[in-house]
Amino acid sequence: GESVGLHLPTLSVQEGDNSIINCAYSNSASDYFIWYKQESGKGPQFIIDIRSNMDKRQGQRVTVLLNKTVKHLSLQIAATQPGDSAVYFCAETNAGGTSYGKLTFGQGTILTVHP
Amino acid sequence: DADVTQTPRNRITKTGKRIMLECSQTKGHDRMYWYRQDPGLGLRLIYYSFDVKDINKGEISDGYSVSRQAQAKFSLSLESAIPNQTALYFCATSSGGSYNEQFFGPGTRLTVL
Repeated sequence: GESVGLHLPTLSVQEGDNSIINCAYSNSASDYFIWYKQESGKGPQFIIDIRSNMDKRQGQRVTVLLNKTVKHLSLQIAATQPGDSAVYFCAETNAGGTSYGKLTFGQGTILTVHP
Repeated sequence: DADVTQTPRNRITKTGKRIMLECSQTKGHDRMYWYRQDPGLGLRLIYYSFDVKDINKGEISDGYSVSRQAQAKFSLSLESAIPNQTALYFCATSSGGSYNEQFFGPGTRLTVL
């Protein structure tokens, strides 16, 4: 889902399905991207990251895809489980430039997994 | 034990009061950050510090100040709280170098009446 003002995009899936969460980033100079998961009442938790010299990176049950041409990032979660229900944020930075260490966060997407 | 801790976890205060939120970390990281989170707006950077002698304004620093008392401690102050500072506040840390993720604390829920 893309940002639509002050209402967070939502994604509802059935347990066992694959989930795809999308993020459009704004800065063409960004060269480092991170996906965070935030459960209710907790701080954001690192999921996976990718540098701009890569198009794809895989972790355990998660894959991040980066399309620099259209400034688009996606997070794929395989065999989604109820414990994956959370808000997912993408974050970007120009790590190799003047904004190193400073992350800019997207609005977030609410993922709800139904048993 | 948590690597990044924040105190208090919840705070209700009145307009005009001075409030301090504290953050401590045991990760040995040099870099620390303060963010606020509002519904539908994601996390926005208030201040950041790359070492004890380095303090920088973030995207929304007006109305806030910070103090880096030690490598492990970074506090955020609201000198005169106002209702639109009601939000969730998160502290984060990261190690030196450019391509490193930030580790977040559990957050402080602040309500200004």
